[in-house]
Amino acid sequence: GAGVSQSPRYKVAKRGQDVALRCDPISGHVSLFWYQQALGQGPEFLTYFQNEAQLDKSGLPSDRFFAERPEGSVSTLKIQRTQQEDSAVYLCASSSSPSGFTQYFGPGTRLTVL
Amino acid sequence: AQKVTQAQTEISVVEKEDVTLDCVYETRDTTYYLFWYKQPPSGELVFLIRRNSFDEQNEISGRYSWNFQKSTSSFNFTITASQVVDSAVYFCALSERIQGAQKLVFGQGTRLTINP
Repeated sequence: GAGVSQSPRYKVAKRGQDVALRCDPISGHVSLFWYQQALGQGPEFLTYFQNEAQLDKSGLPSDRFFAERPEGSVSTLKIQRTQQEDSAVYLCASSSSPSGFTQYFGPGTRLTVL
Repeated sequence: AQKVTQAQTEISVVEKEDVTLDCVYETRDTTYYLFWYKQPPSGELVFLIRRNSFDEQNEISGRYSWNFQKSTSSFNFTITASQVVDSAVYFCALSERIQGAQKLVFGQGTRLTINP
């Protein structure tokens, strides 16, 4: 079956631009996670949705980061006024379990801020 | 807070050699889960295994095996008779309770290169 998909796969933005990253989870998966992976590092948690409810956003690095999942399916991670330190791979994961086991990841969006 | 340490940054071996990737974790939880993921050059994290903290039985899946030792807080991963296709970055991860779910706390990863 179809896995988690993310678009775009690559995004180049000029500093100060707004970007929107999309995640299509596995159909029927109630849990959705966003992670940020800096070069050469392991992924780090950003935020979590259970259906349309954002239950944890403790990992969002600043108020420039905003995520939504209005209909409990597709999710969008938005970054406003991008900075160079936002350059990273943004990974989306989904899980059929409300508690989040086991998480299946998409291919990620590589964001480069110039 | 939860922490995962993968002390080996890079490992390079010749095909058909056995290789073990180390993972040490820290947690205050009595119930937790441990995971291994593979990240090939394409970038997608591929789930390999999940282990419950109450289940210390070692597991084998084909050429892959995992050794969970609660006494030393380790969850090591061994590839037997390695192949070039095993080349990837491997991440060990630990669950951490958040509101409504469990997030994953990852180690830094070990880059494994299998040379022909």
